[in-house]
Amino acid sequence: EAQVTQNPRYLITVTGKKLTVTCSQNMNHEYMSWYRQDPGLGLRQIYYSMNVEVTDKGDVPEGYKVSRKEKRNFPLILESPSPNQTSLYFCASSLLGGGAAEQFFGPGTRLTVL
Amino acid sequence: TQLLEQSPQFLSIQEGENLTVYCNSSSVFSSLQWYRQEPGEGPVLLVTVVTGGEVKKLKRLTFQFGDARKDSSLHITAAQPGDTGLYLCAGARGRNAGGTSYGKLTFGQGTILTVHP
Repeated sequence: EAQVTQNPRYLITVTGKKLTVTCSQNMNHEYMSWYRQDPGLGLRQIYYSMNVEVTDKGDVPEGYKVSRKEKRNFPLILESPSPNQTSLYFCASSLLGGGAAEQFFGPGTRLTVL
Repeated sequence: TQLLEQSPQFLSIQEGENLTVYCNSSSVFSSLQWYRQEPGEGPVLLVTVVTGGEVKKLKRLTFQFGDARKDSSLHITAAQPGDTGLYLCAGARGRNAGGTSYGKLTFGQGTILTVHP
C-alpha cells in the first residue's frame, strides 16, 4: 500500500531533550516536506527536500533540523525542544516539488514539550 | 502575517445549503491546491489549479483560480453532512529574482465546515 508513515504518533517530552520524528514513504517520491499544524494557523512548512541531499527552509525552520540521506526517509530533528514546539506535525511527500503534484500526508505526530 | 488569507474560518450550515470558501493573497502563485482534512488524519488533496481563470468541478464542489492567480474559491452546492471537515488552500510560488524556492508551499489558516443534518 502506498503510504507515508511517521513515528512516533504521540510523544510527550521535556524541554531540552533531543528527539527525532521519523518519516518514510514507499512511493519513490522526489519531494518531501515537514509541516506543523497549530489551531488558527493552518499548516506551516518547516523544511522541505526536493531530492536526496537537497533540503531547504520553509517558513518556520527555527529550532528544527532535517536530513535526506536516502530518498524514502526524511527525519525531523529537534535538538533542544521547547514548549513552543508543542504541535501536531505532518510529513508529506509528492512526485514533484511543492504545488506541482499531489502531496500525500502521513497520519501526524502529536508532540507535547513540557 | 499570513501570506494566504482564508475565509471564513468557521462555517456552520444546514444540509442542502450552498457555501463558498475564499483564499486570498497579494502574491501570485504558480499553482493553488485545495485539501480536506478530517480529525486525526492528514490532509487529502481535492484539486490543483494552475491557470488563471481556471474552473474545476468535482461533483458538488467547484474550484476557481483567479485571473491574476492571487486568489481562489471553493463553492459547495447542496452541502451534506459528509462534507464536514477542515478545508485548506495551499499556494506554490515559482522561483523569481528574489530567490523564492519552487519547493515552498504556503497554506491558509483553514476553514472548519460543519454541515448539520
